[in-house]
Amino acid sequence: KQEVTQIPAALSVPEGENLVLNCSFTDSAIYNLQWFRQDPGKGLTSLLLIQSSQREQTSGRLNASLDKSSGRSTLYIAASQPGDSATYLCAVMLSNDYKLSFGAGTTVTVRA
Amino acid sequence: ETGVTQTPRHLVMGMTNKKSLKCEQHLGHNAMYWYKQSAKKPLELMFVYNFKEQTENNSVPSRFSPECPNSSHLFLHLHTLQPEDSALYLCASSQDRFPTDFYGYTFGSGTRLTVV
Repeated sequence: KQEVTQIPAALSVPEGENLVLNCSFTDSAIYNLQWFRQDPGKGLTSLLLIQSSQREQTSGRLNASLDKSSGRSTLYIAASQPGDSATYLCAVMLSNDYKLSFGAGTTVTVRA
Repeated sequence: ETGVTQTPRHLVMGMTNKKSLKCEQHLGHNAMYWYKQSAKKPLELMFVYNFKEQTENNSVPSRFSPECPNSSHLFLHLHTLQPEDSALYLCASSQDRFPTDFYGYTFGSGTRLTVV
């Protein structure tokens, strides 16, 4: 069974600082990995998806890396803004199972 | 709006009531999902439909009954629920069960369910 861990559980930074969010998974035979954002009481917003053949994926201020062999992905958010405050979730799909395994998330607070 | 619409946004129901949650997408996706999100727990997959056919029932109690009349609509019928079923219920869709597009899964805003 795929276990997905996100550390830290919570993070508070001043505006302008770069954010680094970590995701680790136990089974490296993945099909893809996806990062989501969730605002309080709301649904999930997809940020980006990295295929297993990719090492990184970029979208605006977001950059996600993937190291399958070590079972890790890192989401970098450059020049954080108060509007980046949310919970960030990592989800992993195995090559032989289309179900997503989610981490518990990292709750980010960007202080103005 | 993400392209996946869920109604109602909030629902309070008694343990003897029967209610239904609705999910609708017009993204042309072929796979649709129900997830449950409880406080302090990771998202739990409940059901998966692919081309209107149920392909996954993740050991969900029978008091939850899904229905997928077409590729654009998904329902979750609820009856005789328990207070511990109170949670945020999220619907999602994807191009297919192994998405390759940039955004992968698209989620709705969820239905906040409270069972009293």
